[in-house]
Amino acid sequence: AQSVTQLDSQVPVFEEAPVELRCNYSSSVSVYLFWYVQYPNQGLQLLLKYLSGSTLVKGINGFEAEFNKSQTSFHLRKPSVHISDTAEYFCAAIRGSQGNLIFGKGTKLSVKP
Amino acid sequence: DARVTQTPRHKVTEMGQEVTMRCQPILGHNTVFWYRQTMMQGLELLAYFRNRAPLDDSGMPKDRFSAEMPDATLATLKIQPSEPRDSAVYFCASGLVLSGGAGTQYFGPGTRLTVL
Repeated sequence: AQSVTQLDSQVPVFEEAPVELRCNYSSSVSVYLFWYVQYPNQGLQLLLKYLSGSTLVKGINGFEAEFNKSQTSFHLRKPSVHISDTAEYFCAAIRGSQGNLIFGKGTKLSVKP
Repeated sequence: DARVTQTPRHKVTEMGQEVTMRCQPILGHNTVFWYRQTMMQGLELLAYFRNRAPLDDSGMPKDRFSAEMPDATLATLKIQPSEPRDSAVYFCASGLVLSGGAGTQYFGPGTRLTVL
């Protein structure tokens, strides 16, 4: 089945610690991959994307992700988180040739002082 | 800074009433998507349009939901009659989708619908 799996539903972390949010995709979806962030009561904001080229992708707010084809993963990382990074993060992949997205279930990142 | 806009931002209505949600996509984008977000189901694709033509609405309950794009600056999602199970946040997204599917979607702020 075509799917995007986010392995952790919740990730608590202390401020200034590093964080990794995991995402795996099934081989049947395309390799156009995205991370979106959703702050409480807001829409989804694009963090970063991989369409082609370098497998290490840098996004906004100091986040980066690495596309790993052999492991079908696209994990999101940040070396030092802030309280303001507390939000829900969604990994997504384009399904098929029409451009529609399939989303993971989301990971709630909670940054504590 | 171009953005997708949605109206209304919040809607509370009673069961059986008609609800219309509106979306203005980013100018120049060729594809418009409607998603629904609930705690139980997460983000679900309802329907999408390419160059104003409907491509797929298989994610929508056909008997009560309808989506249209009367012109390039307006997409609508209508529920008639509404039911409590339709309570959710409805997102519109637009993007410039190239052949093969590559393209980035930009999301609006959503319409939070509550059906009593």
